[in-house]
Amino acid sequence: DAGITQSPRHKVTETGTPVTLRCHQTENHRYMYWYRQDPGHGLRLIHYSYGVKDTDKGEVSDGYSVSRSKTEDFLLTLESATSSQTSVYFCAISDSPSTDTQYFGPGTRLTVL
Amino acid sequence: KQEVTQIPAALSVPEGENLVLNCSFTDSAIYNLQWFRQDPGKGLTSLLLIQSSQREQTSGRLNASLDKSSGRSTLYIAASQPGDSATYLCAVGSDDYKLSFGAGTTVTVRA
Repeated sequence: DAGITQSPRHKVTETGTPVTLRCHQTENHRYMYWYRQDPGHGLRLIHYSYGVKDTDKGEVSDGYSVSRSKTEDFLLTLESATSSQTSVYFCAISDSPSTDTQYFGPGTRLTVL
Repeated sequence: KQEVTQIPAALSVPEGENLVLNCSFTDSAIYNLQWFRQDPGKGLTSLLLIQSSQREQTSGRLNASLDKSSGRSTLYIAASQPGDSATYLCAVGSDDYKLSFGAGTTVTVRA
């Protein structure tokens, strides 16, 4: 299995509080991604990174920000959590998206009350 | 925007039967198509990756075909086993290095 860890694995928080999820890789892959998975929607891309300090928005980026100060870490921040952000969040990595698969982390289940 | 559809949403078969899972996509300008497996409460595991120049890819009992011109891919699983029970996700890679996912087909193989 690719070396990807996500922390925390489970989190319950209150509406309006900030939340940061961490993705850590040991594979030295250039590309990192944050997805959310909701019933009936499949996986939807939130943000992705194509290098240190290089990030771009996905299809559902509103309410989320990201940072990547080191190759191995990609942080996802919910500045002010809302109930609509209750979801399972997956991090993925890839070395070359055009020829290589994406490797997924175990996921973080976030509940916003 | 790339739209990916998987039909059926759920499938139940007896052990030993062959499985046929379908995936369709709207924009044929892709660089690859991937099939993933997801077990309940787990992350995704890559099964097969087909480059846009390829017509099919095989791994053990799994075979995936790609018809880019018609926007379709099919995943075949031969001689299904209860351990094949999972959700199977199709994902299409587009020119901007992102994957667009279908909602998945949940497979149950009855012993």
